[in-house]
Amino acid sequence: DAGVTQSPTHLIKTRGQQVTLRCSPISGHKSVSWYQQVLGQGPQFIFQYYEKEERGRGNFPDRFSARQFPNYSSELNVNALLLGDSALYLCASRSPNTEAFFGQGTRLTVV
Amino acid sequence: AQSVTQLGSHVSVSEGALVLLRCNYSSSVPPYLFWYVQYPNQGLQLLLKYTSAATLVKGINGFEAEFKKSETSFHLTKPSAHMSDAAEYFCAVSKPGGNEKLTFGTGTRLTIIP
Repeated sequence: DAGVTQSPTHLIKTRGQQVTLRCSPISGHKSVSWYQQVLGQGPQFIFQYYEKEERGRGNFPDRFSARQFPNYSSELNVNALLLGDSALYLCASRSPNTEAFFGQGTRLTVV
Repeated sequence: AQSVTQLGSHVSVSEGALVLLRCNYSSSVPPYLFWYVQYPNQGLQLLLKYTSAATLVKGINGFEAEFKKSETSFHLTKPSAHMSDAAEYFCAVSKPGGNEKLTFGTGTRLTIIP
């Protein structure tokens, strides 16, 4: 079975631009979470979606938004990019009886 | 609110020596606890998890951790370090249940000295 897949793997954007990151969960997993990992720090929770509904939101500005599609894949959108948004963005999927499985991440660089 | 504190942002051990990575947690409810490993430019891989069953948890690659409620600790150990253990290690806590967010510590970078 394929693991959690994220695209793209690397991305360079300019300040003020908008970016969309994509995540495909493990087959059968209905929950997707997004985390931001700034260099040298632990991952920080951004969003959780379960069955296409938002179930949790971390302490991030409204520039960050997400959604989950009927096939349980997910997108994370970040508007008006700032230099401080440069980070590794991790997606994790899980089913109620399993731990979270993480993708390889998308490395976003804002210049 | 839940949190974890990892003592020591960098730990160096000789190959073959004991590995001990420290994690203390704070939680208002009985927690679930996890250790993840991250290799350079990769995502997170679960090493082991505590979900209120046995307090001594064995994981992959020879790692284990012991949940000590009295000390609010969940330290990670491995009897004999291998060069391939060099990586970043993260302790994480969540509320009990199958769908809760993870709160991570700041990580410990483990270096293995040949």
